Amino acid sequence: GAVVSQHPSWVICKSGTSVKIECRSLDFQATTMFWYRQFPKQSLMLMATSNEGSKATYEQGVEKDKFLINHASLTLSTLTVTSAHPEDSSFYICSASTSGQGNYGYTFGSGTRLTVV
Amino acid sequence: GDSVTQMEGPVTLSEEAFLTINCTYTATGYPSLFWYVQYPGEGLQLLLKATKADDKGSNKGFEATYRKETTSFHLEKGSVQVSDSAVYFCALSDRSGGGADGLTFGKGTHLIIQP
Repeated sequence: GAVVSQHPSWVICKSGTSVKIECRSLDFQATTMFWYRQFPKQSLMLMATSNEGSKATYEQGVEKDKFLINHASLTLSTLTVTSAHPEDSSFYICSASTSGQGNYGYTFGSGTRLTVV
Repeated sequence: GDSVTQMEGPVTLSEEAFLTINCTYTATGYPSLFWYVQYPGEGLQLLLKATKADDKGSNKGFEATYRKETTSFHLEKGSVQVSDSAVYFCALSDRSGGGADGLTFGKGTHLIIQP
């Protein structure tokens, strides 16, 4: 089945630095990639939707200059947390939209635990 | 806007007990409904889904029926196992096809199965 590889699985960075998270679709082309954020014991909140070759669409309240999304190819999307601060510490998960035979689904990466110290 | 409400946890059951996790939704249009499971330290895995009213999704002994009249998609399993311990998320996609929209998730229900 469809697999999305996300890395790193965890990262610790210093406040003020930037961190890049990558998501790759391994055996399919992901025209649409979604980025979610999950706080401890909370639900996943959609941050942005990215389509290959175009600018990402951000959800209300998400700072586009802080969370830079690039979807330059059909198999790779990246999320860069710029000038990270402790409040950005969270679990970030990507998801690719897949389709086949008129059906569609969503395949999730395994997530990245970001800790900003 | 769209929303998903599911029962708060943790839900603690003994092995072989019957499980129900309630999920209700509000949405415009004709949403598709999903249940995802998240094991400790891992990402989300699709458990089952239903794309139209009265559809029943099933997988690994879990079932859920898309009830449009009650806007519900309750998750059930007849006999749970310790390995079912995880967090379960109900979610919807508010487009009838194409997967162009992200998912709206409930808050998740932490299920604990005791031997």
